Amino acid sequence: NAGVMQNPRHLVRRRGQEARLRCSPMKGHSHVYWYRQLPEEGLKFMVYLQKENIIDESGMPKERFSAEFPKEGPSILRIQQVVRGDSAAYFCASSRDSLNTEAFFGQGTRLTVV
Amino acid sequence: QQQVKQSPQSLIVQKGGISIINCAYENTAFDYFPWYQQFPGKGPALLIAIRPDVSEKKEGRFTISFNKSAKQFSLHIMDSQPGDSATYFCAASMLNDMRFGAGTRLTVKP
Repeated sequence: NAGVMQNPRHLVRRRGQEARLRCSPMKGHSHVYWYRQLPEEGLKFMVYLQKENIIDESGMPKERFSAEFPKEGPSILRIQQVVRGDSAAYFCASSRDSLNTEAFFGQGTRLTVV
Repeated sequence: QQQVKQSPQSLIVQKGGISIINCAYENTAFDYFPWYQQFPGKGPALLIAIRPDVSEKKEGRFTISFNKSAKQFSLHIMDSQPGDSATYFCAASMLNDMRFGAGTRLTVKP
């Protein structure tokens, strides 16, 4: 009964490269949420997806960031042309229903831009 | 606009003492209030949660107190242990939205 799986755990990218972060929700969960956490700070909502649909992307920067949750496979958070300010821990969470039920987090992907 | 305000930012408690973390929310549409515990380098783990139809929920040493009229809720950790040292986040959730507090770094001294 695996939990939310994120990979890679650590990712190093040079400025200008693309970063792809993957999240496989818990079995039976069809709702995925992405959060960003800067060192010593709280969790900031980025985007909420259901299978093949973006429900709320109000927390995601309009440029360079995109997210998808295809019918098959993991959810992907893509950051194009990364900059140093993108360095952070990115967490995804999944829930069976909408957010006002239990949501479980993955271990996160720590992105470092050099 | 910060929708969930959490305090204190950091807390030091002696072993065996009571740790109390407070949160206040603004949007009365929130209807689910979870607390998460996060250890360094790990993802947040769901600790305990409450819905606004009850005023208190207890699970082991952890208790949530909820005051709907004041739009406040708090986490009480009884008999705090060094292993409880972590960052705690409160959250307020409704359909399609979950907002987190800024977190409280708890240190329990032996």
